[in-house]
Amino acid sequence: EPEVTQTPSHQVTQMGQEVILRCVPISNHLYFYWYRQILGQKVEFLVSFYNNEISEKSEIFDDQFSVERPDGSNFTLKIRSTKLEDSAMYFCASSENWDYEQYFGPGTRLTVT
Amino acid sequence: AQSVAQPEDQVNVAEGNPLTVKCTYSVSGNPYLFWYVQYPNRGLQFLLKYITGDNLVKGSYGFEAEFNKSQTSFHLKKPSALVSDSALYFCAVRAFSNDYKLSFGAGTTVTVRA
Repeated sequence: EPEVTQTPSHQVTQMGQEVILRCVPISNHLYFYWYRQILGQKVEFLVSFYNNEISEKSEIFDDQFSVERPDGSNFTLKIRSTKLEDSAMYFCASSENWDYEQYFGPGTRLTVT
Repeated sequence: AQSVAQPEDQVNVAEGNPLTVKCTYSVSGNPYLFWYVQYPNRGLQFLLKYITGDNLVKGSYGFEAEFNKSQTSFHLKKPSALVSDSALYFCAVRAFSNDYKLSFGAGTTVTVRA
């Protein structure tokens, strides 16, 4: 069964450094998403992406964040200058169409020290 | 704004007994409703969804959920729980519009004892 994959599974970085989280969505899916879950809190929506542009973003997704689909398979989330409060589990998801269910990857645990 | 409430942090049942995980939602207009399950060190796995139509929807692994518009609820049920159903369950909602984000509940930890 096709699944969303994410790399790395765990990333440790120092405050102020740039990080790139990588995702490979399911191959025939057209809509891509990033969510995050701070420890002990709810899963929160960050951004959705379709047709090579952001279709929706939350207030969390400020200028420090960016997304890109650099080729036909990868979908990345970049955090330009990490803060301590960016420490969280980041989930990538994809869906076949905007009103279909979203399939989630296993997550990348980001630890900012 | 849309939101989901899962009133129980934990649900404990004996294997073979019925399992119910509660969810209520708030959204403008008609809702899309989803249940996901998360096992340790795994991502969120899709279980089932309600879009429109029959209020009782069936999903993976013998789970079903009942949509109740008047009570704004979407409770997850399984007639006979298995030890392997022990996991973290999330209810999620999105608006029935050209809106992409899912809003999740806080999650309910289900423990099924042998």
